[in-house]
Amino acid sequence: RKEVEQDPGPFNVPEGATVAFNCTYSNSASQSFFWYRQDCRKEPKLLMSVYSSGNEDGRFTAQLNRASQYISLLIRDSKLSDSATYLCVVTEDTGRRALTFGSGTRLQVQP
Amino acid sequence: DVKVTQSSRYLVKRTGEKVFLECVQDMDHENMFWYRQDPGLGLRLIYFSYDVKMKEKGDIPEGYSVSREKKERFSLILESASTNQTSMYLCASSLSGTYNEQFFGPGTRLTVL
Repeated sequence: RKEVEQDPGPFNVPEGATVAFNCTYSNSASQSFFWYRQDCRKEPKLLMSVYSSGNEDGRFTAQLNRASQYISLLIRDSKLSDSATYLCVVTEDTGRRALTFGSGTRLQVQP
Repeated sequence: DVKVTQSSRYLVKRTGEKVFLECVQDMDHENMFWYRQDPGLGLRLIYFSYDVKMKEKGDIPEGYSVSREKKERFSLILESASTNQTSMYLCASSLSGTYNEQFFGPGTRLTVL
C-alpha cells in the first residue's frame, strides 16, 4: 500500500465550480501535512500547509482528519488558472527532513 | 526569491555512461534533496543532504550516488546509466529543520537510450 494515496483524476470542472480532493496516508505517525501545486512541465510549489484545526487561504481550504488519516483540499469558485496537479505531502516525526509525496490529482478547469 | 537551478533541462545519454546532474541553490539552505518523478508514482526521494559532506539515502538510492562539497551545490551521479533511470529529476532545498517548505528546481528530463 502506498504511504500517500490520491485519486489521479482528472477532475474536469467548469469555471466557478467548487471542487474537493482527498488524500489518505497510511502512517499514523505522520505529523505535518501540505498541499503542493505542480503546473504542467513545471516544478512543484507549496500551496498551503494543513493545520489540525483546518485552515483557509482565499478560495482554498485545507482540512485534516487524523482519526481517518486523510487530508482534503477544497477550491471554491474555480478559475482557469487553478488547472494543475495537486500533490498531497506528509512528513513523519522521525527527524527525517524529506517529504513523502502523493502522485497527485489533476484538475482541469474548463471555460 | 529562492532560486534553485539545475544544470540541464533535457539530457540524453547512452546505457552505461556516467551521468552528472548538478543543482545549485542561492539561499544558503542547509538541506538539499534529489527526487525522481515518474507518471503514476509521484516524487520519490533518492538522496538528501542536511550539511556539507553529509548525505543520507532516501527511498530509492540504488544506482545513484551524490556529492555535496559546497553548501550551495548538490550533485547526483548515475555511475552507469540504465534505461530504467529515464525520468524527470528534481532537486530541492530547504532551511534546516524538519518541516520547512522545500523549493524545487525546474527539473532535468533524462533519457537513457
